[in-house]
Amino acid sequence: DAGVTQSPTHLIKTRGQQVTLRCSPKSGHDTVSWYQQALGQGPQFIFQYYEEEERQRGNFPDRFSGHQFPNYSSELNVNALLLGDSALYLCASSLYRASNSPLHFGNGTRLTVT
Amino acid sequence: GQQVMQIPQYQHVQEGEDFTTYCNSSTTLSNIQWYKQRPGGHPVFLIQLVKSGEVKKQKRLTFQFGEAKKNSSLHITATQTTDVGTYFCAPRNSGNTPLVFGKGTRLSVIA
Repeated sequence: DAGVTQSPTHLIKTRGQQVTLRCSPKSGHDTVSWYQQALGQGPQFIFQYYEEEERQRGNFPDRFSGHQFPNYSSELNVNALLLGDSALYLCASSLYRASNSPLHFGNGTRLTVT
Repeated sequence: GQQVMQIPQYQHVQEGEDFTTYCNSSTTLSNIQWYKQRPGGHPVFLIQLVKSGEVKKQKRLTFQFGEAKKNSSLHITATQTTDVGTYFCAPRNSGNTPLVFGKGTRLSVIA
């Protein structure tokens, strides 16, 4: 039973560039949430996707956008990268109808913006 | 959004000592989840508490939900080096609201 997979594991980008991160949810899950975790901080909620639509959004600018595909996989796009976007980006999957179900996290993508 | 305070921020203990982290909310919670993140790893779900005054145990870990459902605690008895990591509480106000994480308590265990 495959868990949550994310790619790439590491990424180095230059300020102003754009980046796309990818996530495949755990088998049987239909909801994907994205979190940003700065060093020494807790994960900060970016947004949640279900049925290919953004359902919930945290306090992140429009530079952060996403997409969910019919197979439930998801992408996180960040435009016009800033140095402050350097962080670990975590994807978490869950089952939407089980509203209190726990999140299953992937190993994350470590993004460094120089 | 949901505000939660987790204390302490850091805790260093000798192996064999006990450890407790607390999670406090200004509002009544629907439920609360706890996660552990090992250094260099990702958060892993530990437990969910739903009922007022609920107490759940997992081996040396004891989780408690306050009677008013505004606070929660995680207690580890006789810590081991394998307990090293950051422990996060993640409360929910209701239903499908996003899970909001506290800043976590980073536990170091000295052998």
